[in-house]
Amino acid sequence: EIVLTQSPATLSLSPGERATLSCRASQSVSSYLAWYQQKPGQAPRLLIYDASNRATGIPARFSGSGSGTDFTLTISSLEPEDFAVYYCQQRSNWPTFGPGTKVDIK
Amino acid sequence: EVQLLESGGGLVQPGGSLRLSCAASGFTFSSYAMNWVRQAPAKGLEWVSTVSSSGDNTYYADSVKGRFTISRDNSKNTLYLQMNSLRAEDTAVYYCAKASRSGWYYFDYWGQGTLVTVSS
Repeated sequence: EIVLTQSPATLSLSPGERATLSCRASQSVSSYLAWYQQKPGQAPRLLIYDASNRATGIPARFSGSGSGTDFTLTISSLEPEDFAVYYCQQRSNWPTFGPGTKVDIK
Repeated sequence: EVQLLESGGGLVQPGGSLRLSCAASGFTFSSYAMNWVRQAPAKGLEWVSTVSSSGDNTYYADSVKGRFTISRDNSKNTLYLQMNSLRAEDTAVYYCAKASRSGWYYFDYWGQGTLVTVSS
């Protein structure tokens, strides 16, 4: 099983600031990595797939980068609706998710 | 608009069974693989199972293999998950999720989830 770790566990920022979230895989997943956003009481929403491709309808302030074992999700300027939990997920092998990073309001 | 609506969750005793359903609309259901993903209370996400577009091929997480069965009825645009020999650790919100065009194991649309509680 490929284990994903995310850091930091919590990121406290203000609206308008830049958010940088990290995801590390226990072995190479090539570019087969996705990012999801989940708000309380809601289902996850696909943001990024194949490490750097935005899903349909996702704003340009969300971007992804990385390959192999190290990946980054960047939110260029936080909007009020962006405060949520973010999960990375790999599909190189049977799919697994990271434990999540909570982005909360400072 | 893609819509996925789960049903069938509830309270069940350890060792019991439950069948979840997911009614799909807004896309050509028979063209896409479908998945179940679960989330234990205040925990992260766990992939549970996948079925191919035709229903001929199924895949399971080790944690549910031999106990859960995924299936689909393309004539009814409905996905199912039969859960047997339920354990306390199966307690979770169960989401059905559509596979994306970019790969079976990217989940581009999700239902609202149905809660399964396994407790005596």
